[in-house]
Amino acid sequence: QSALTQPASVSGSPGQSITISCTGTSSDVGGYNYVSWYQQHPGKAPKLMISDVSTRPSGVSNRFSGSKSGNTASLTISGLQAEDEADYYCSSYTTTTTVVFGGGTKLTVL
Amino acid sequence: QLQLQESGPGLVKPSETLSLTCTVSGGSISSSSYYWGWIRQPPGKGLEWIGNVHYSGSTSYNPSLKSRVTMSVDTSKNQFSLKLSSVTAADTAVYYCARSGGYGAAGPGDWGQGTLVTVSS
Repeated sequence: QSALTQPASVSGSPGQSITISCTGTSSDVGGYNYVSWYQQHPGKAPKLMISDVSTRPSGVSNRFSGSKSGNTASLTISGLQAEDEADYYCSSYTTTTTVVFGGGTKLTVL
Repeated sequence: QLQLQESGPGLVKPSETLSLTCTVSGGSISSSSYYWGWIRQPPGKGLEWIGNVHYSGSTSYNPSLKSRVTMSVDTSKNQFSLKLSSVTAADTAVYYCARSGGYGAAGPGDWGQGTLVTVSS
């Protein structure tokens, strides 16, 4: 299975909004509403930020939102804060009952 | 609150079998709607899904690792385990255990802290 495609890096200034894309195929992202997004700070375990395309787990800031159109899912972070600087990964369920991750995106807050 | 804790050797020799255990606390591993899985992350690289297992014994594995992976559940100890055979240096990574909802379809929601396994002679 091929990894989902994410931009290697994105950046934004405090207070701005950024969007990270996650592109797959009709066999994964486009075929199911099981796209998740994770935030990972250096040396830490990933933290679930968005599940089922757009559901925020309890405790996750409403500055984080998810969406999907066709084979591409997106994570938007509004009102960027310094603590948002981290690596972000998407994942999706696939037609072969497996899970595939994206390659990861490094977010820099300028 | 659910907690997951990985345990096992931090150093494995090439060609040998890597064995890790994840101990679950604060919840039952026998919940029907959850799958229990493993994800790894080589140093400086991205996440790779290894596979998951249901308490019933049903499994799903990454096709690229399937020939070398075995996952199992011990409900009496509330633990699940990973065995990866014929390891090479490419298997050096931080290994995370995790719980996935949606009968395994949802992405991993709860994660352990991870354990570094180095493959070296």
